Amino acid sequence: NAGVMQNPRHLVRRRGQEARLRCSPMKGHSHVYWYRQLPEEGLKFMVYLQKENIIDESGMPKERFSAEFPKEGPSILRIQQVVRGDSAAYFCASSPSRTGMNIQYFGAGTRLSVL
Amino acid sequence: DAKTTQPNSMESNEEEPVHLPCNHSTISGTDYIHWYRQLPSQGPEYVIHGLTSNVNNRMASLAIAEDRKSSTLILHRATLRDAAVYYCILRDLMYSGGGADGLTFGKGTHLIIQP
Repeated sequence: NAGVMQNPRHLVRRRGQEARLRCSPMKGHSHVYWYRQLPEEGLKFMVYLQKENIIDESGMPKERFSAEFPKEGPSILRIQQVVRGDSAAYFCASSPSRTGMNIQYFGAGTRLSVL
Repeated sequence: DAKTTQPNSMESNEEEPVHLPCNHSTISGTDYIHWYRQLPSQGPEYVIHGLTSNVNNRMASLAIAEDRKSSTLILHRATLRDAAVYYCILRDLMYSGGGADGLTFGKGTHLIIQP
């Protein structure tokens, strides 16, 4: 059973470009979470999605960031018009349920560098 | 989620047991205690969780105080591969909806293993 797959592992963008980060959850998991880890800082929750629905986006920046989890295909975190402050590691996690016992399984992350 | 407090860093020698403490004095009756760890340049990894009783798995043991206001993650025989940041996180069993499902990561404990 393959784990959570994120791609690309490394992404370089120039200021003003768009960044698209992909996450394929573990087989059988329908809950996806995105987290951001800024350099020398802790992990911060961004958004929680189920198939075709955003359940909680309380951690998402108000502008330029969006996420989706379509019925078919991976979850996408999209950052428009990237700025240097968006440089960070972005981690995706998946879980089979949303109860308090849920274990979240994390991918290896996408490291975004904005030049 | 209720707050947890952990030491910033701890150091241990290889092949020796390691006891990582976590204080959670405001824990509620329905909060599970979860531990994750993050190895260098990797995504977080689930370690163990428990509610009231002590728990053992292939990775570690979790000792929970009788009043549940603190817990200790025990690595029985640390190896160099256990060097990581360890996070103690509380998760509400009775998810009531409307709130974030994301994990709240604090600063964790940076475990250093000396050969």
